[in-house]
Amino acid sequence: AQSVTQLDSQVPVFEEAPVELRCNYSSSVSVYLFWYVQYPNQGLQLLLKYLSGSTLVKGINGFEAEFNKSQTSFHLRKPSVHISDTAEYFCAVKNSGGSNYKLTFGKGTLLTVNP
Amino acid sequence: DTGVSQDPRHKITKRGQNVTFRCDPISEHNRLYWYRQTLGQGPEFLTYFQNEAQLEKSRLLSDRFSAERPKGSFSTLEIQRTEQGDSAMYLCASSTILRGLAGDTQYFGPGTRLTVL
Repeated sequence: AQSVTQLDSQVPVFEEAPVELRCNYSSSVSVYLFWYVQYPNQGLQLLLKYLSGSTLVKGINGFEAEFNKSQTSFHLRKPSVHISDTAEYFCAVKNSGGSNYKLTFGKGTLLTVNP
Repeated sequence: DTGVSQDPRHKITKRGQNVTFRCDPISEHNRLYWYRQTLGQGPEFLTYFQNEAQLEKSRLLSDRFSAERPKGSFSTLEIQRTEQGDSAMYLCASSTILRGLAGDTQYFGPGTRLTVL
């Protein structure tokens, strides 16, 4: 079984400040890792994904994440946030082989960017 | 690609009624998924289709829930005899393995928000 822990349920920051949203996972097999963003009353939009190769992954809207296999982490970062980044962010994992189809999500982190 | 679409976006029903939701995946995608998201939680997997075959159902999908994908294109999710605990956002996603497993990224629709009174 797999699980995802998002360590912070809420992260308030000021505009133009840096932010890090933390994600740890547990899995007995190798995984693919994803970050999705959800704006109010909308579906999920893919921010970035780690499949293989470089452990630093760049995504849309200036976000990046770093895969750390030894710490089983996949933290999301942005050097300078905007008001428009206010949303719920979800970390997710999926088996990288075999019956790899379903995503297992964390509970989400609500990022609130204040002026 | 036009993206994944879902209909309706919102549904309010009374307890005991049946409801049906529709999902239209991205046109070239052969995999389709249903997830349920309750307030304050991440999405939870419900079921998965590859083409028209339903290959996996979560234990969350009780006997009152049924999903179909009759021609391998759009899918429907029906809930019979709704209960207040069914109130949630129902999300549909689609993907393709035509570019290999590494390309199998799920793209989500806007969801259907169900409220059971």
